[in-house]
Amino acid sequence: DTAVSQTPKYLVTQMGNDKSIKCEQNLGHDTMYWYKQDSKKFLKIMFSYNNKELIINETVPNRFSPKSPDKAHLNLHINSLELGDSAVYFCASSHGDRRNEKLFFGSGTQLSVL
Amino acid sequence: KQEVTQIPAALSVPEGENLVLNCSFTDSAIYNLQWFRQDPGKGLTSLLLIQSSQREQTSGRLNASLDKSSGRSTLYIAASQPGDSATYLCAILTGGGNKLTFGTGTQLKVEL
Repeated sequence: DTAVSQTPKYLVTQMGNDKSIKCEQNLGHDTMYWYKQDSKKFLKIMFSYNNKELIINETVPNRFSPKSPDKAHLNLHINSLELGDSAVYFCASSHGDRRNEKLFFGSGTQLSVL
Repeated sequence: KQEVTQIPAALSVPEGENLVLNCSFTDSAIYNLQWFRQDPGKGLTSLLLIQSSQREQTSGRLNASLDKSSGRSTLYIAASQPGDSATYLCAILTGGGNKLTFGTGTQLKVEL
């Protein structure tokens, strides 16, 4: 069983469209994250949720709206997609214990905005 | 603001060589440091986690060290193999909401 799974793996869409990426973890973790990896492979945190509550929002445009229906799921909805949104988006999860905050990542969603 | 830098950006070595990857960070007030491996088209796999109170961690052929006072960590890979080819990322966990700051990565290629 995949520990952190995200769908779809690839997403190609036109500018201006609205799209969603789903993430689920079966590790029983309390904290989930969304990271963005740009074309230079630099990874940066976007959001963090702990038990369905938002704890990190890293100055991400409000076109990006995370939704956590329960602590095992953290979906990312993106409105009015722009060319600059093209990147690989990674979901991750952790127990929430700060000292042993080992992160488990999904395999990524490659978003291409045309 | 925490900044994490990795040197070198890319490294190519023959199989069997021992190698060292470097990571430096600007803010020593950290909770832990992690080393990850990323294979092309795949997610990240956590290799080693060093807590702020620890100096090193070992797993198989991998050894990671942490020197908070100098803001440095190294990942030592012994007897490298072609299967070690990947991008290696270090990441620092600091306060303010469990934020993990990633380095720029070192792309490693181990050749036969």
